[in-house]
Amino acid sequence: DTAVSQTPKYLVTQMGNDKSIKCEQNLGHDTMYWYKQDSKKFLKIMFSYNNKELIINETVPNRFSPKSPDKAHLNLHINSLELGDSAVYFCASSQDEGPMETQYFGPGTRLLVL
Amino acid sequence: AQTVTQSQPEMSVQEAETVTLSCTYDTSESNYYLFWYKQPPSRQMILVIRQEAYKQQNATENRFSVNFQKAAKSFSLKISDSQLGDTAMYFCAFLPFFQGGSEKLVFGKGTKLTVNP
Repeated sequence: DTAVSQTPKYLVTQMGNDKSIKCEQNLGHDTMYWYKQDSKKFLKIMFSYNNKELIINETVPNRFSPKSPDKAHLNLHINSLELGDSAVYFCASSQDEGPMETQYFGPGTRLLVL
Repeated sequence: AQTVTQSQPEMSVQEAETVTLSCTYDTSESNYYLFWYKQPPSRQMILVIRQEAYKQQNATENRFSVNFQKAAKSFSLKISDSQLGDTAMYFCAFLPFFQGGSEKLVFGKGTKLTVNP
């Protein structure tokens, strides 16, 4: 009964490649997020979607493009991967877009760019 | 698999008073870290405090301190002299430590803290 799932859990790839990370939630939530955990364990929000519409788009390189085919899915596509993109990426979801909503986090995707 | 439980979905406190947010976790690992993150309405995650499991001394950062009980697998956050700017979601997180391995945070669901004037 996984609430928020991410695939793959681990991803090793070469610089310059294009890759996607998928996220799915089965909670019926309206809002989904992508966060980046860096090597110092700092977390930064990258994007947020509510009902398939982008509501938060923090300053990230435009090589990162989120795609929400439906409100249960929020995928993260990364073009022309760079070494600095190596990090853990977390997907999360909440019932709605309010700033103080309980969030359910996925297990994370560890991306390593060589 | 590790789990993190925050049993208080919402809490409120009067300005200048002290509040304690609870967090318990489940793990069979002996080496790990614990964190508290604050998420204000801006949505950016702010690292409030961290604790290494091998350290017996409780971590302290200004008005924020933790009560780390390793045997009980408990990691509560105490906020002293609460300020209006402390109003936020607070997430407890666990990080297993594997030498040379991948390390992913495991999050609780958050506690909504409201500081009232």
